Amino acid sequence: GEDVEQSLFLSVREGDSSVINCTYTDSSSTYLYWYKQEPGAGLQLLTYIFSNMDMKQDQRLTVLLNKKDKHLSLRIADTQTGDSAIYFCAEADNYGQNFVFGPGTRLSVLP
Amino acid sequence: GAVVSQHPSWVICKSGTSVKIECRSLDFQATTMFWYRQFPKQSLMLMATSNEGSKATYEQGVEKDKFLINHASLTLSTLTVTSAHPEDSSFYICSARGDREHTEAFFGQGTRLTVV
Repeated sequence: GEDVEQSLFLSVREGDSSVINCTYTDSSSTYLYWYKQEPGAGLQLLTYIFSNMDMKQDQRLTVLLNKKDKHLSLRIADTQTGDSAIYFCAEADNYGQNFVFGPGTRLSVLP
Repeated sequence: GAVVSQHPSWVICKSGTSVKIECRSLDFQATTMFWYRQFPKQSLMLMATSNEGSKATYEQGVEKDKFLINHASLTLSTLTVTSAHPEDSSFYICSARGDREHTEAFFGQGTRLTVV
């Protein structure tokens, strides 16, 4: 079945850039998402990218997609303590359904 | 963006009782709603998909008699955990999407269920 993998932990210093990586196996995935989960809260959609795009930038967030390698990354520029959370990578099919989530990467921002 | 409201945010219940969780789309018509469960230190696991007016489709391994899903209207879906046991304690999250070509799935804030 489809599988999405992420490293489980990442620590960065405040002000540095964070790069969270994700790999997926389903080559038919059409939409790839990044969600943020703060403690005790639900998921917050950060951004998503269509599979025919290579890059998408939204303020401090940059998403890079390497479709050949099935590799997705999320770069957070000027990381702040408020960015500390779990970040989930997810893929969905052509209808925006059948979400498959990665295990989440816990980002810790050190002062 | 669209808002999905989930209620309650947290609930504690006694073993053997049933608990109902509501998921409402506040400003759009959700033709499809998804229910997820999150185990500690694990990712979300899709439990079932429900379309308004029809029976929910459950993922393999999810007991439909245990987790009753009702999607009675275009703005409301409910998940009832029947005869809850401590192993049902978990974080349950719903998401909803509309009927237009719209890929975003808007998530509720989740419900933390603790069965004692």
